[in-house]
Amino acid sequence: SAVISQKPSRDICQRGTSLTIQCQVDSQVTMMFWYRQQPGQSLTLIATANQGSEATYESGFVIDKFPISRPNLTFSTLTVSNMSPEDSSIYLCSVSPGAGFAEAFFGQGTRLTVV
Amino acid sequence: AQKVTQAQTEISVVEKEDVTLDCVYETRDTTYYLFWYKQPPSGELVFLIRRNSFDEQNEISGRYSWNFQKSTSSFNFTITASQVVDSAVYFCALSLNTDKLIFGTGTRLQVFP
Repeated sequence: SAVISQKPSRDICQRGTSLTIQCQVDSQVTMMFWYRQQPGQSLTLIATANQGSEATYESGFVIDKFPISRPNLTFSTLTVSNMSPEDSSIYLCSVSPGAGFAEAFFGQGTRLTVV
Repeated sequence: AQKVTQAQTEISVVEKEDVTLDCVYETRDTTYYLFWYKQPPSGELVFLIRRNSFDEQNEISGRYSWNFQKSTSSFNFTITASQVVDSAVYFCALSLNTDKLIFGTGTRLQVFP
């Protein structure tokens, strides 16, 4: 199993500012994923973060808006840049330990409100 | 392309009723994994089950049971004798090998006392 610590758990930010969300895993994992859940909606993958390489972004998400770092096998950050009220969402970090994993593990999420 | 459809947006039942949440998936891959997650009002995602594409056995865990049918590309979830604590949003998800999860739109279940 994997335990994920994500912080902050929630924040209220002014439009035009940036917020960096941290995700710490208690074991080494190859892939880490960042999801966004807009109010009342499902989870949408933002990007896949592999250690030592550029993150891979899904359609509709760009690096300038959501820069990601992955400095080692247990840590990643997601920055939400130049925020607008439309960025108000829950952002979740997830890991897949690898072949044969029983579940994808999720952090408790960061509830972001942009005012 | 892969897709997960949860046609039921919201279901309301009275406590002790049985309820089935539907999930239909689309993929051309022969190896894939299906999941159900529960998201209570507190917001965290609670893992319920994973099933791989080669295991069509139905599973029962307490009041929960899952019916996986490849012939209809469905992975339905039944809660027997529902309780108020079952009230949550339930997500079905698909994963290819060990990659990202593709989520359905979720079904909000409300169980009234």
